Amino acid sequence: SQQGEEDPQALSIQEGENATMNCSYKTSINNLQWYRQNSGRGLVHLILIRSNEREKHSGRLRVTLDTSKKSSSLLITASRAADTASYFCATDTGFQKLVFGTGTRLLVSP
Amino acid sequence: DSGVTQTPKHLITATGQRVTLRCSPRSGDLSVYWYQQSLDQGLQFLIHYYNGEERAKGNILERFSAQQFPDLHSELNLSSLELGDSALYFCASSVAAGGPYEQFFGPGTRLTVL
Repeated sequence: SQQGEEDPQALSIQEGENATMNCSYKTSINNLQWYRQNSGRGLVHLILIRSNEREKHSGRLRVTLDTSKKSSSLLITASRAADTASYFCATDTGFQKLVFGTGTRLLVSP
Repeated sequence: DSGVTQTPKHLITATGQRVTLRCSPRSGDLSVYWYQQSLDQGLQFLIHYYNGEERAKGNILERFSAQQFPDLHSELNLSSLELGDSALYFCASSVAAGGPYEQFFGPGTRLTVL
């Protein structure tokens, strides 16, 4: 069963625009991670935010975490066509047993 | 390239058969994880091994088993295959257990059961 629900399920934007994806989860976590998956390929780790952190940045990525609302968001600024992929949040509730969300499919058009 | 290798890339087999999927973690990583990705179930954690020992189990069917060998490579064995076992199977590795550590994913094995 999935821990996280992601919203929206799909997002279509133009290059240069920002993309925001949201993730909600159900139980307490140690940390939350975001991964990217290009069509049918392996997942690539983007960023990890610990449960005691509220915001984290990595390049064009900004992740926020609100443990009181059990939610996280991923913001990709100045999107590029190469950002087209599926994005998953994954919660770590212990022993790094990652539980993945349903994913957001992002399409960035030139 | 994550440094995690998985073989084979594709596997087509029949119902009732048994297959073995192989994973080699990144050099120096002691933890190996297996995940199943299907259209109806999404990405599901199956099992975690650390330095040869099982550390956590997820939604792994009794028909499935895994092990991690002394050289740290891992194998996932799927038996009495059913149509519903058709999926992408990913292996991931991380440096240790207990985290938080990022997991590095292999390219996956696409299993098709006919």
